[in-house]
Amino acid sequence: KAGVTQTPRYLIKTRGQQVTLSCSPISGHRSVSWYQQTPGQGLQFLFEYFSETQRNKGNFPGRFSGRQFSNSRSEMNVSTLELGDSALYLCASSSGEASGNTIYFGEGSWLTVV
Amino acid sequence: AQSVAQPEDQVNVAEGNPLTVKCTYSVSGNPYLFWYVQYPNRGLQFLLKYITGDNLVKGSYGFEAEFNKSQTSFHLKKPSALVSDSALYFCAVPLNNNAGNMLTFGGGTRLMVKP
Repeated sequence: KAGVTQTPRYLIKTRGQQVTLSCSPISGHRSVSWYQQTPGQGLQFLFEYFSETQRNKGNFPGRFSGRQFSNSRSEMNVSTLELGDSALYLCASSSGEASGNTIYFGEGSWLTVV
Repeated sequence: AQSVAQPEDQVNVAEGNPLTVKCTYSVSGNPYLFWYVQYPNRGLQFLLKYITGDNLVKGSYGFEAEFNKSQTSFHLKKPSALVSDSALYFCAVPLNNNAGNMLTFGGGTRLMVKP
């Protein structure tokens, strides 16, 4: 069974630009969530989508948004990029039906903002 | 709010010796606790989780974790460390008790296993 797949793995953007990251969850998983990892802030929850609806949201500005498609694939978008948005963005999937479900992570997308 | 803490930024151990990576938790209700490992330039890999039942949970790569309710701890252990175990380890707990793919993580512990 294929794992969580994220694209692209690495990208460099300029301040003010926007970026879209993509995530394909494990087959059969309906919940997809996104996390930001930085050396200073550690791992922080961005948002979660379940059956195409945003079910939970972390404490990030509105520049960070996402969506989920009918096949459970998800995208996240960051607009008006700032230097502080440089981070590893991790996608995770689970069945999403209970709090104790195992959550599986992808390899991440490394974003550098210059 | 649910939270976990990892009191050690780094743990050093010699190859072949037992290792322990510490985690304490603060949750309301039944705790669901997770351990993940991150190798350099990689994502997080699931090691094990505690839902209910036996206090000793066995996971991947020979790791196990001991749930201790009285000490609110969930320490990760391995009887004999390998150099290849050197990585960053994260303890995690769901942000709330509702269904959802939302975890809050400890700050991480870097494990260094020396030959």
